[in-house]
Amino acid sequence: AQSVTQLDSHVSVSEGTPVLLRCNYSSSYSPSLFWYVQHPNKGLQLLLKYTSAATLVKGINGFEAEFKKSETSFHLTKPSAHMSDAAEYFCVVSDGGFKTIFGAGTRLFVKA
Amino acid sequence: GAVVSQHPSRVICKSGTSVKIECRSLDFQATTMFWYRQFPKQSLMLMATSNEGSKATYEQGVEKDKFLINHASLTLSTLTVTSAHPEDSSFYICSASLGARSSYNEQFFGPGTRLTVL
Repeated sequence: AQSVTQLDSHVSVSEGTPVLLRCNYSSSYSPSLFWYVQHPNKGLQLLLKYTSAATLVKGINGFEAEFKKSETSFHLTKPSAHMSDAAEYFCVVSDGGFKTIFGAGTRLFVKA
Repeated sequence: GAVVSQHPSRVICKSGTSVKIECRSLDFQATTMFWYRQFPKQSLMLMATSNEGSKATYEQGVEKDKFLINHASLTLSTLTVTSAHPEDSSFYICSASLGARSSYNEQFFGPGTRLTVL
């Protein structure tokens, strides 16, 4: 069985400071892992994906995530937050059968 | 590439009427399409998975007679909310997958449809 846990329902940072959004997963298979961003009343945009290649994955807009199998984690980071990063972020795990599980989401607030 | 569109983006209807939402893959053929529902400030909940030319697979708790899904071609899937009620008001999002042609299970998401039932 698969599951994904986003450890923080909301995170608040100041503009220019680092961002850390935490995600833990469980999967019986070698999972594919994704981070998506959703701005208000918009669809989802893929930030990055892990597909059993490099464990450090670089995505768009300066985001990156590191797959740590020993910790079953896939935390999302960005060195310096921008106001436009304020949005909802979803960690997603998928198995080989296209079963996709979404985390509950983390709302990122960026203060000026 | 890999663009998915939804139509309409927003719909308001009266209770008891039916509403059809279209999901199209614009620049690729989607073997599999997914329909999600998202309540305010909540995560996405998978409603059903549809494969072209076959019946949709619904998740537990989703009424197949209420949420009719048709995947008639490799670029189009439709979700019809029948006899809509105010509790069906939600944000509906579709996604499409390249299926076996993709080495991973990435889904490409549409922009969503906001349904409001009065």
